Amino acid sequence: KAGVTQTPRYLIKTRGQQVTLSCSPISGHRSVSWYQQTPGQGLQFLFEYFSETQRNKGNFPGRFSGRQFSNSRSEMNVSTLELGDSALYLCASSSTGSGNTIYFGEGSWLTVV
Amino acid sequence: AQKVTQAQTEISVVEKEDVTLDCVYETRDTTYYLFWYKQPPSGELVFLIRRNSFDEQNEISGRYSWNFQKSTSSFNFTITASQVVDSAVYFCALSKRGATNKLIFGTGTLLAVQP
Repeated sequence: KAGVTQTPRYLIKTRGQQVTLSCSPISGHRSVSWYQQTPGQGLQFLFEYFSETQRNKGNFPGRFSGRQFSNSRSEMNVSTLELGDSALYLCASSSTGSGNTIYFGEGSWLTVV
Repeated sequence: AQKVTQAQTEISVVEKEDVTLDCVYETRDTTYYLFWYKQPPSGELVFLIRRNSFDEQNEISGRYSWNFQKSTSSFNFTITASQVVDSAVYFCALSKRGATNKLIFGTGTLLAVQP
């Protein structure tokens, strides 16, 4: 069974640009969550999507957005990139139900220069 | 508010030593979930265990064991006879009912196992 797949794995963007990251969840999983990991702030929850609807949201500015498609694949977008957006962005998926195991992908390493 | 504290920033042990990683959590919810993840240098968070607040039974999986104590709000993780391959950053995390996929992570503990 394939795991959570994230693309691209590495990317470099210039300040002010925008970026889109993609996530394919484990087959059958309908919940997709996104996390940002930085040395200073650690692992922080961005948002969660379930059945194409945002179900939970973290404390990030509106420049961070996401969406989920009918096949449960998800994308997150960051507009007007800032140097501080440089981070590892992790996607996670889980099946329905409370307290289910949450599986993570390998992440997308974003560097903003 | 929910909070997870991993007071140990870095631990260094020699192979075959036992090591315990501490995790203390704060929550006002009666139903919550606790997790441990391992993060090797590649970046992926590898799931190790999930516990719900009603299940205080300790668990053992091979060289890994977990001690969940609600009385002290702790969920500690022990590796017995550590190996070099155990070297990684370990994260403890907490979520609550109604937002079970919104994990609150601790700051992580870097474990270095020396040969």
